[in-house]
Amino acid sequence: AQSVTQLDSQVPVFEEAPVELRCNYSSSVSVYLFWYVQYPNQGLQLLLKYLSGSTLVESINGFEAEFNKSQTSFHLRKPSVHISDTAEYFCAVSPFSGGYNKLIFGAGTRLAVHP
Amino acid sequence: NAGVMQNPRHLVRRRGQEARLRCSPMKGHSHVYWYRQLPEEGLKFMVYLQKENIIDESGMPKERFSAEFPKEGPSILRIQQVVRGDSAAYFCASSPASRGGNYGYTFGSGTRLTVV
Repeated sequence: AQSVTQLDSQVPVFEEAPVELRCNYSSSVSVYLFWYVQYPNQGLQLLLKYLSGSTLVESINGFEAEFNKSQTSFHLRKPSVHISDTAEYFCAVSPFSGGYNKLIFGAGTRLAVHP
Repeated sequence: NAGVMQNPRHLVRRRGQEARLRCSPMKGHSHVYWYRQLPEEGLKFMVYLQKENIIDESGMPKERFSAEFPKEGPSILRIQQVVRGDSAAYFCASSPASRGGNYGYTFGSGTRLTVV
């Protein structure tokens, strides 16, 4: 079985400051890793994903995440946040399997960017 | 190309009534997943369907909940005799193939069910 722990339920930060949202996972099999973002009253949007290859993955809006296999972590970072980054961020894993993949989500981290 | 369409966006039901939530997957997607988001929690997998088949319903409550994805029309998540604990946001996602994890699912905007 898999589980995902997002260590911070809320992260307040000032605009233009750096931010790190932490995610650790537990799994007995290899997994794919994802970060999703949910803006208020909207669905989830895929922010970035790690499937294989380079352990550092980037999104188009300045976020990046690094897969650390030894620490079973997939922390999300941004060097300078904007007000518009205020949202809830979900880390998720999907186990490699012979059939389909379903997502196991963490409880989410609410990022609040203040002016 | 329209995304995953869910309706209604908001649904209010009295205890004991039935709730029907609809999901139209993206064009070309034949795999549908339903997730439930309880307040202050992450999303929990409920059920995975292909056209006319339920593949995995391991996350569905044993009673009152059912799902279908007919040959024609949207996928339906039905909750009979709703209770206050059913109040949640219900999200549908679709993918073009079974290995949805590889592609990253496309989620709809959700249906927010409130039971009064």
